[in-house]
Amino acid sequence: KAGVTQTPRYLIKTRGQQVTLSCSPISGHRSVSWYQQTPGQGLQFLFEYFSETQRNKGNFPGRFSGRQFSNSRSEMNVSTLELGDSALYLCASADARGRTGELFFGEGSRLTVL
Amino acid sequence: AQSVSQHNHHVILSEAASLELGCNYSYGGTVNLFWYVQYPGQHLQLLLKYFSGDPLVKGIKGFEAEFIKSKFSFNLRKPSVQWSDTAEYFCAVNGGSQGNLIFGKGTKLSVKP
Repeated sequence: KAGVTQTPRYLIKTRGQQVTLSCSPISGHRSVSWYQQTPGQGLQFLFEYFSETQRNKGNFPGRFSGRQFSNSRSEMNVSTLELGDSALYLCASADARGRTGELFFGEGSRLTVL
Repeated sequence: AQSVSQHNHHVILSEAASLELGCNYSYGGTVNLFWYVQYPGQHLQLLLKYFSGDPLVKGIKGFEAEFIKSKFSFNLRKPSVQWSDTAEYFCAVNGGSQGNLIFGKGTKLSVKP
């Protein structure tokens, strides 16, 4: 089985711009979660989607949004970028039937905001 | 709200030394517990997990963890570390029906050859 695929792997933006990141989950996984990883804060939960519906949401401002498509692929969008948004954005998929929380991670999209 | 606390930010060991990384969580109900590892330049991988049953859980690469419910702890151990264990280790908890993992801030392990 192919793993979780995230694109792009690296990107550089300037303050005020917006960015869209993409995630393809493991085949058959219907749950997709997004995390922000920074050196000081570790992994912080952004949101989780299941069957095209946002099921959980972390404590991030409304500039951070996401969606999931019928094929379980997911995108997240950050608008009006700030310097503090520079981070590694991780996508993870899960076979959510049991809701155990076990996640399978992609390699991440590293965003640098200048 | 659930939270996870990892006691050490950075641990430096020599090869063959024993390892114990602390993890405490706050949640009063039934929990699922995880340790993930992130090797340099690689994605997060599951090291081991606890759902129920034997509180001593064995994972990959000789790692094990013990769930002590009374202490809300899930410490990671390895009797003898290798240089290849150099990585960042994350403890995570999933409690109740929340559905998402809450991670600790991670512990960087550096193993000197």
